[in-house]
Amino acid sequence: DADVTQTPRNRITKTGKRIMLECSQTKGHDRMYWYRQDPGLGLRLIYYSFDVKDINKGEISDGYSVSRQAQAKFSLSLESAIPNQTALYFCAAGGAPNTGELFFGEGSRLTVL
Amino acid sequence: GNSVTQMEGPVTLSEEAFLTINCTYTATGYPSLFWYVQYPGEGLQLLLKATKADDKGSNKGFEATYRKETTSFHLEKGSVQVSDSAVYFCALSGGSYIPTFGRGTSLIVHP
Repeated sequence: DADVTQTPRNRITKTGKRIMLECSQTKGHDRMYWYRQDPGLGLRLIYYSFDVKDINKGEISDGYSVSRQAQAKFSLSLESAIPNQTALYFCAAGGAPNTGELFFGEGSRLTVL
Repeated sequence: GNSVTQMEGPVTLSEEAFLTINCTYTATGYPSLFWYVQYPGEGLQLLLKATKADDKGSNKGFEATYRKETTSFHLEKGSVQVSDSAVYFCALSGGSYIPTFGRGTSLIVHP
């Protein structure tokens, strides 16, 4: 089983709709992250959480919100989707002080029409 | 803030050619450094890492050395294969650092 699981893997929606991307991890990592990948721009951090009670904005948080429901679950929401939020979204867990290694999900491809 | 800069791609090579992908970083202190690889349709996975200056990370024939003097962590492989075609990301992380990634370098290896 994958350490980090994302759902859905693919989603097509319309402008103005609310979308939630879900992420769960099985390895007990305290830290979780949401990144967005766009061609030529690499990975950009949207939000991160160092534990259940800790939520922090990343470099591109506008238009997004998150919820850390449990240590294992970290959801990303687009309250009112717009076309320029069309991208590949990755959830990651890890980055602990002793190793720094991140474990990634397989990605959620979102298309906003 | 912290940042990672890596060479732009795509890098196109013939099989068995030598590969170098340059990566430099800006950070206060000494983060751990990483190379991740993304194969088509997949998430990123760790390729190799180095946690302190002069450490060499290695895996699957790839190597990178943590150079504090030049703030660099260049990825090298002596003989690439078609199966190495992927996107490679340099990153810094560890300790209190927020994981920060370069823009990725696409590698295309032709038979």
